[in-house]
Order: sequence, then structure tokens, then C-alpha cells
Amino acid sequence: DTGVSQDPRHKITKRGQNVTFRCDPISEHNRLYWYRQTLGQGPEFLTYFQNEAQLEKSRLLSDRFSAERPKGSFSTLEIQRTEQGDSAMYLCARSSFGNEQFFGPGTRLTVL
Amino acid sequence: EDQVTQSPEALRLQEGESSSLNCSYTVSGLRGLFWYRQDPGKGPEFLFTLYSAGEEKEKERLKATLTKKESFLHITAPKPEDSATYLCAAPGENAGNMLTFGGGTRLMVKP
Repeated sequence: DTGVSQDPRHKITKRGQNVTFRCDPISEHNRLYWYRQTLGQGPEFLTYFQNEAQLEKSRLLSDRFSAERPKGSFSTLEIQRTEQGDSAMYLCARSSFGNEQFFGPGTRLTVL
Repeated sequence: EDQVTQSPEALRLQEGESSSLNCSYTVSGLRGLFWYRQDPGKGPEFLFTLYSAGEEKEKERLKATLTKKESFLHITAPKPEDSATYLCAAPGENAGNMLTFGGGTRLMVKP
């Protein structure tokens, strides 16, 4: 158990629809990261939060993507007007005092 | 720009046949080199962190080593259950410790 849960585990949607994913880390972990992983590639950084503040966003994060972490606990990642190129595994990771990041099981998104 | 490169992309071994996976990096201000294991359809599972050249870490049949430019993951007498994708990553010189990952090595161990 990595102390990170993600919901849903799988999401199939039609192009143009909006989707929202949720990440729940166990408490006391003040950093939360989102990554995206396409088939056969390593994960790529999207954004990260320290407590409730979103401190960094990758250029991969277009204006159709938005992330929140209200109250510094769970986080949501929303994709508006989905495109087929958004199909990927979306991973959430937690980190606290050290540099190690521990990942959740991911949400697999398929855009038809 | 931070870069992490892994080789080979795929590796087939017979059970018991030892080998090594390579991870080369060009990351400014390296603050650790991480190895993860990823099974199909799952998130990466943390294995090791290495911080300085010459450091070694071991876990069962796996041993990770670090030089100034590379890291190796040595697999001794692998078993079929070691089949997975092995990822290395480095946080680089950024305050948020965002990880730059390599493309991974897909390991298949045949009985």
C-alpha cells in the first residue's frame, strides 16, 4: 500500500466531453504530484501542489487541464473538451519530507 | 534540459540468467536517482534511492549502483515474477522535486 488512492481506475469517454479524476493521499504528506504516462513511455510531470498551493505546471498542461487541491488534502484533475491525444494513464504521487515519491494505481483514460 | 535515458528498451532473460539495466542521466544539481518497478496497468512501485557516486542498495535479487553519470540495476538469478518495466528517475535542480523519468526497460524472464 503506497498510501495513495485514485478514482476512477478506468474512464472511457467520448471526444469533447469533460472528465474529472480524484487523488486521495494519506494525511501528513504535504506534496502531491500529477503525472501522465502514455503506452511504452515513462511518466511525464504535469503539476504539483505543496499543501493547497499549486506551485508548478508543466507546459504539457494545456488550458483544457485544471487541477485543484482544496484544503491541502485530496486533489482533482479535470480535463475539458477531451481529445484523443489525452488518452493515457494519469498518475498521482505523494511526498513528504524526503525526495521519494509514492504513486497511486493511476486512472486509465480512453477517449473515443 | 534534464534528461534520463534507459537501455535496453526491452530485455528477455531465461530464469537464472543475470543481467544489468542501464540508466544514464544529465541532470543539473542531482538530488537522488530513483528506481521504480511498474507492472502492467499499475502505478510505479518505489524500489531504491541513490544519492552519491559509489552508493549501492540491494533488495532481494536486485542491486542498484550509481556513478557520476550512470546508474545500473543488476538482477541476479531472476525469476519470472521479476518480469516488469523498470523505470529510473531523477528530480533535478528544482524546488518541487519534480521527477524526470527515463523511458523504462521492459524485462521479461522466461521459466
